[in-house]
Amino acid sequence: RKEVEQDPGPFNVPEGATVAFNCTYSNSASQSFFWYRQDCRKEPKLLMSVYSSGNEDGRFTAQLNRASQYISLLIRDSKLSDSATYLCVVNEVNYQLIWGAGTKLIIKP
Amino acid sequence: DVKVTQSSRYLVKRTGEKVFLECVQDMDHENMFWYRQDPGLGLRLIYFSYDVKMKEKGDIPEGYSVSREKKERFSLILESASTNQTSMYLCASQQMLDSPLHFGNGTRLTVT
Repeated sequence: RKEVEQDPGPFNVPEGATVAFNCTYSNSASQSFFWYRQDCRKEPKLLMSVYSSGNEDGRFTAQLNRASQYISLLIRDSKLSDSATYLCVVNEVNYQLIWGAGTKLIIKP
Repeated sequence: DVKVTQSSRYLVKRTGEKVFLECVQDMDHENMFWYRQDPGLGLRLIYFSYDVKMKEKGDIPEGYSVSREKKERFSLILESASTNQTSMYLCASQQMLDSPLHFGNGTRLTVT
């Protein structure tokens, strides 16, 4: 079975700091990639798609490294409201979606 | 904005009951999914559907069935609920095969 792996954390980070997560995938033919955010006892919500050229949305930057088979999420100037679990998902060549187990982020004042 | 609506936020059922979880999406998406999510186990795919009246088993279909009679509605059925089916159930829809999923707000089912 193809795998997607994330460091479960928790990452305890002071407010205002920069934090980065990686997500590694095993299938080199994977096609599309996404980051989701999930708050406690809520549904996952799409945070960003990850494009080959990298993409940025405000304080969030997502990058894809196909050679090393990982995607990354960078959060700058972290806010208390960024505390959540961050899930990566990989869409494989057969369109099967493989979810990571999530990385828990706790922003401390 | 895509809206995926799950009929119940919380449900409590007894062992052996037949349980219906309903999901409706309003964006004319072809693809719909049912997942369950448990602490430490992440999201696990139960069933999915790429078209009306079409269904495919996911990773953990045992004890579940689904129905897709209309494009906008995808129902998950627990034929005879058991305590190990206590979980958070998440429905999702998808516009195209390489698009992201959009989730409903989940149904937290407790089977006693």
